[in-house]
Amino acid sequence: ETGVTQTPRHLVMGMTNKKSLKCEQHLGHNAMYWYKQSAKKPLELMFVYNFKEQTENNSVPSRFSPECPNSSHLFLHLHTLQPEDSALYLCASTPDLSTFTDTQYFGPGTRLTVL
Amino acid sequence: SQKIEQNSEALNIQEGKTATLTCNYTNYSPAYLQWYRQDPGRGPVFLLLIRENEKEKRKERLKVTFDTTLKQSLFHITASQPADSATYLCALRASGTYKYIFGTGTRLKVLA
Repeated sequence: ETGVTQTPRHLVMGMTNKKSLKCEQHLGHNAMYWYKQSAKKPLELMFVYNFKEQTENNSVPSRFSPECPNSSHLFLHLHTLQPEDSALYLCASTPDLSTFTDTQYFGPGTRLTVL
Repeated sequence: SQKIEQNSEALNIQEGKTATLTCNYTNYSPAYLQWYRQDPGRGPVFLLLIRENEKEKRKERLKVTFDTTLKQSLFHITASQPADSATYLCALRASGTYKYIFGTGTRLKVLA
């Protein structure tokens, strides 16, 4: 276990549904990340939060809406998704953004399928 | 644009042999390079970090080299075991930025 948990592990949703992904880290870290991993593509950074403040939005469509209520929790709210949004969504954390050698601790991911 | 290429999508080797995985990059000047292991249905797990001024790093059966002239990193697993079968990702980070850029990964299969 890496100390980062994600729920649900699997999610199937229709294009008109609204759902949320949850990430929780028990490492005392202050920076949290959302990544998208599609088949045969590299991990794509979506959002970064540092001390609850969003520091990165990597041109992500507005149908993805992140929320970081505190340094331990990160959510990704989903609405009106497209089939091409089907992927593995990974959450990660690091102590903060100032130490460039920080190891990223990843959660197990949520496998999302959009029908 | 920045590009990271990891050698073949899949690599099969015999147990006991040394596996060598390649990470090449273009249009980028990384200060740090990391290697991760990812098992099916799991998130990546950190293995090794190497800095631009380091030529080589070792950890148990793992060895990483970093050649900034060739723009290449090599990742070696010696005395490979079936349990080493997984996808291995390289990730690069430039100085002054917190963002890592990942390669697509190489799927390694060690045959018993």
